[in-house]
Amino acid sequence: RKEVEQDPGPFNVPEGATVAFNCTYSNSASQSFFWYRQDCRKEPKLLMSVYSSGNEDGRFTAQLNRASQYISLLIRDSKLSDSATYLCVVNAYTGGFKTIFGAGTRLFVKA
Amino acid sequence: DTGVSQDPRHKITKRGQNVTFRCDPISEHNRLYWYRQTLGQGPEFLTYFQNEAQLEKSRLLSDRFSAERPKGSFSTLEIQRTEQGDSAMYLCASSPQQGYEQYFGPGTRLTVT
Repeated sequence: RKEVEQDPGPFNVPEGATVAFNCTYSNSASQSFFWYRQDCRKEPKLLMSVYSSGNEDGRFTAQLNRASQYISLLIRDSKLSDSATYLCVVNAYTGGFKTIFGAGTRLFVKA
Repeated sequence: DTGVSQDPRHKITKRGQNVTFRCDPISEHNRLYWYRQTLGQGPEFLTYFQNEAQLEKSRLLSDRFSAERPKGSFSTLEIQRTEQGDSAMYLCASSPQQGYEQYFGPGTRLTVT
């Protein structure tokens, strides 16, 4: 089992749609959580941190459920410019520090 | 530009040669990370520095790989006796003392022929 697993993609949605990405992690010692966005052949860019209380940034909402070891990202009113790969990221201390990326979920938003 | 920078952006080398990549983090960031990414996968953690100390090293980092951060500022990643399987994007990231958000450089794309 992978340490961080994401929904397989790609997701193909029309403009204006709401889309949700899910991510599960296996290490209960995980301490911090993030969503990154990566455009084709570019570096990952931080989208948002994820907290148990949930956090929202414009059209984006992230949620963490520690009991279920589950992270989500919701994008409302999708734009063409949201087309990218979304990466779930977990920092864990298991005898040492490690950052683990999911394989990513590809999103295509179409007009 | 005050972001993370990496040099070179592209490197083509023949199998068996040594290569060295450089990363300059955001100036006030004390943590620095190296990753490797292949097509269709997320970045794989290689190693992590806090200031000049290398605190973690992945099992992925074989004896042919070495990383340094001698003065706690820029870092280098060296690959000795490159193999075709080393072809990948090598990404560097940095994060501040407070918080673990990582900011990535543009990466160095390595092709081993």
